[in-house]
Amino acid sequence: DAKTTQPNSMESNEEEPVHLPCNHSTISGTDYIHWYRQLPSQGPEYVIHGLTSNVNNRMASLAIAEDRKSSTLILHRATLRDAAVYYCILASGNTGKLIFGQGTTLQVKP
Amino acid sequence: DGGITQSPKYLFRKEGQNVTLSCEQNLNHDAMYWYRQDPGQGLRLIYYSQIVNDFQKGDIAEGYSVSREKKESFPLTVTSAQKNPTAFYLCASSPPRRNTGELFFGEGSRLTVL
Repeated sequence: DAKTTQPNSMESNEEEPVHLPCNHSTISGTDYIHWYRQLPSQGPEYVIHGLTSNVNNRMASLAIAEDRKSSTLILHRATLRDAAVYYCILASGNTGKLIFGQGTTLQVKP
Repeated sequence: DGGITQSPKYLFRKEGQNVTLSCEQNLNHDAMYWYRQDPGQGLRLIYYSQIVNDFQKGDIAEGYSVSREKKESFPLTVTSAQKNPTAFYLCASSPPRRNTGELFFGEGSRLTVL
């Protein structure tokens, strides 16, 4: 199963952009890249997902490298409510399983 | 409103007892999943079911059992064979073609073994 690698933690200032990196060098051609975030004692919340092309939604943008071996979640203007653990996940096209990594703990400073 | 409901939110168990965690969804989703989360760790897949009356083991299925008799329900039993059952348990569901779409999570059940 393909795995992801993320930094353990990152810091950002409020109202500044945040770029959260993720490496997935063993990704297969049918794996989708998903991002979720989790607040303490809550279930994860879907943020965004993509396959090959960059994606934008109301929460964030997802930039996917041309070789698909890495991706970056972009929060355009961080707010205090964006402080959470962010998980970069590969959704297996063959088995349908989501494989969670350790995640990145994002701290947002006012 | 549609969603996933897990119960109980908090549960205490004595060693040697089995306990069943409930997960119900009214989203008409085919696939359902159980994950375990330990403090400061990511989620690990216990069991998943892609259709009624069928389920598969995840990465850490030992000491757990599930059933999928109805589309809406996917209960997880933590048996006495599970050596370290204290954890945060999360249930999730997804619509068809799950690998392209969103996974919906419940609020979780926190199990503590005394």
